[in-house]
Amino acid sequence: KQEVTQIPAALSVPEGENLVLNCSFTDSAIYNLQWFRQDPGKGLTSLLLIQSSQREQTSGRLNASLDKSSGRSTLYIAASQPGDSATYLCAVKSGAGSYQLTFGKGTKLSVIP
Amino acid sequence: DAGVIQSPRHEVTEMGQEVTLRCKPISGHDYLFWYRQTMMRGLELLIYFNNNVPIDDSGMPEDRFSAKMPNASFSTLKIQPSEPRDSAVYFCASSTGGFGNSYNEQFFGPGTRLTVL
Repeated sequence: KQEVTQIPAALSVPEGENLVLNCSFTDSAIYNLQWFRQDPGKGLTSLLLIQSSQREQTSGRLNASLDKSSGRSTLYIAASQPGDSATYLCAVKSGAGSYQLTFGKGTKLSVIP
Repeated sequence: DAGVIQSPRHEVTEMGQEVTLRCKPISGHDYLFWYRQTMMRGLELLIYFNNNVPIDDSGMPEDRFSAKMPNASFSTLKIQPSEPRDSAVYFCASSTGGFGNSYNEQFFGPGTRLTVL
C-alpha cells in the first residue's frame, strides 16, 4: 500500500527566503505526482503535476522535482512571500490503471513579513 | 469555466438525519472523485467515477454512504443515517483521462464542511 509522508508538518520562514518542502513515498512505481496548495477553509489548488518520466516542472517561483527511484519529490519556492502561506500537499498516482491519488498530510507554511 | 462546484458549502445536521452533498464537475472531464478530509486521517478517496460509472468504491467507509452520478454534470454523495464521526470536509474533484503532460490532473471543488451533532 502506497504511503506518502511530508516533513516537516509545519514550517515558518521570513519573507524573501527560498525554501524547500519535502515529500516521500514508499512505492516508487508511480504514474505521476501532484503538488497542491490549500488555504484555510478552502479547497485544493493544483500547483504542479510531474509525470513519472519527468524530473522536474516549473511554474513561476515554484519548481517541483521528482526522483522516482528514491521515492522523493521536493517543491522549491523562491523568494517567499506572505501570500505563499498555506498548507502544501503532495499526492501520488500509482499506476496507469488506477486514478486514485494518495495524499500526504501536508506541510503548513507560514511566511513572516 | 467555473471550476468544480459543490453545494452546500456548510451543512449542520443532527445524528440520524440523511445528508446529501452535491457536485458539478468541470465540463468535459470524464472522471469524478469524492474525498473526505479530517485532521486525523488527512485526505482519503471515497469513490471515483469514469463516464458516470463507479469504478472504485473501496474507500466508502460503510453502507451508510452511497454515491451516484446520473449524468456527466452531476453527482451526489449521500449519508444515511449520519453519525457524529462523519463530521469532515468532503471534496469533489474532476479530471480528464488519457495520457500526456497535464492529463489526469485533478481539480478540486471548495468542499462541503459537514457537522453532525
